[in-house]
Amino acid sequence: DAGVIQSPRHEVTEMGQEVTLRCKPISGHDYLFWYRQTMMRGLELLIYFNNNVPIDDSGMPEDRFSAKMPNASFSTLKIQPSEPRDSAVYFCASTKGGEAFFGQGTRLTVV
Amino acid sequence: GQQLNQSPQSMFIQEGEDVSMNCTSSSIFNTWLWYKQDPGEGPVLLIALYKAGELTSNGRLTAQFGITRKDSFLNISASIPSDVGIYFCAGLPWGGATNKLIFGTGTLLAVQP
Repeated sequence: DAGVIQSPRHEVTEMGQEVTLRCKPISGHDYLFWYRQTMMRGLELLIYFNNNVPIDDSGMPEDRFSAKMPNASFSTLKIQPSEPRDSAVYFCASTKGGEAFFGQGTRLTVV
Repeated sequence: GQQLNQSPQSMFIQEGEDVSMNCTSSSIFNTWLWYKQDPGEGPVLLIALYKAGELTSNGRLTAQFGITRKDSFLNISASIPSDVGIYFCAGLPWGGATNKLIFGTGTLLAVQP
């Protein structure tokens, strides 16, 4: 398996623009997580899905953030409108039994 | 959100030295995991622990699941320059939501050749 695949690796956008981050989990994994990593706050769990259903979105910072998982092999995290304080590295991770495997992340810069 | 207490925050050591870091919690955990993150990459799983008292090795790395179920330790023996990175502990709280990992704040390791 190629592991968790995220795209794009880097994204630079202007404030106010919509940003969509993509994730393909490891085949067979039934949990998918979106994390945000910053120097100040470390790794923060934003939302996670089980069998494509959102289970806990209490970490989503604001209504500007939304996530979907239309099928077992694809998930998106959308920020609309984006703000400079959203600049961070966003990770997707998947798991089947407790051990989470991470993608390489998307480094988002909002200017 | 909830985070584990991980220490030390950073370590600057000479090549060949041994390293020890730990994570503690006020509550009980079912599972402890240790990850390493290289610059520009995602965290990579190093060791997984599932039973209180369990001691597991992966090459020069050794990790233990504390008897009280509230802590875990990671030791690295004979450090080398490629050990540089950020090490995270993570755990699944007992009685918590299935598979909702809680992460430590990370230990930054720098190794001088």
